[in-house]
Amino acid sequence: DTGVSQDPRHKITKRGQNVTFRCDPISEHNRLYWYRQTLGQGPEFLTYFQNEAQLEKSRLLSDRFSAERPKGSFSTLEIQRTEQGDSAMYLCASSLGGGRRDEQFFGPGTRLTVL
Amino acid sequence: AQSVTQPDIHITVSEGASLELRCNYSYGATPYLFWYVQSPGQGLQLLLKYFSGDTLVQGIKGFEAEFKRSQSSFNLRKPSVHWSDAAEYFCAVGASGTSYGKLTFGQGTILTVHP
Repeated sequence: DTGVSQDPRHKITKRGQNVTFRCDPISEHNRLYWYRQTLGQGPEFLTYFQNEAQLEKSRLLSDRFSAERPKGSFSTLEIQRTEQGDSAMYLCASSLGGGRRDEQFFGPGTRLTVL
Repeated sequence: AQSVTQPDIHITVSEGASLELRCNYSYGATPYLFWYVQSPGQGLQLLLKYFSGDTLVQGIKGFEAEFKRSQSSFNLRKPSVHWSDAAEYFCAVGASGTSYGKLTFGQGTILTVHP
């Protein structure tokens, strides 16, 4: 297994368009996380899944954002009607889900630019 | 709510010099603390973590960090910096309960290494 992968690595879109990102976690990992990182800032938590269940969503995740993890494997993050403020790096991470000593492994991220 | 502060946005050191990156946290209970490194085009990589026990934690690439509860600090150190250490470094604290994987990151410290 080569780790967490994300696709695409870069996405340029026009304001108002919808975009979808994909994350493939490490195969045996039960937990999957999405973070957003804007320029000059640390990553900010968006949401996470335990298997296929979405257990928590940040207030940062407006109604235009939706995430899914069908069958508890890969996950998708969709942004509808993109705005310039959505421009950021979207990071995915996965972990075994074994408690607070869990280690998260991060993917390389998808950089979104909204024109 | 938990928070992390990294007071230094940018640090420059000469190759071979020692390094200390500062991290202060705010958390109501025993914190779970992490240091991650992010190189351009790469995902976040875990350097080390503190859960409990010995307050001096050893990590990869020759890094160590010391947890000081009285100062609410978890500073990262390296005795001799290599040019390949140039990157951005993030300190993070983990949440409690079932949200244990929800990490709160600091703003990051950019490390520049001069030859």
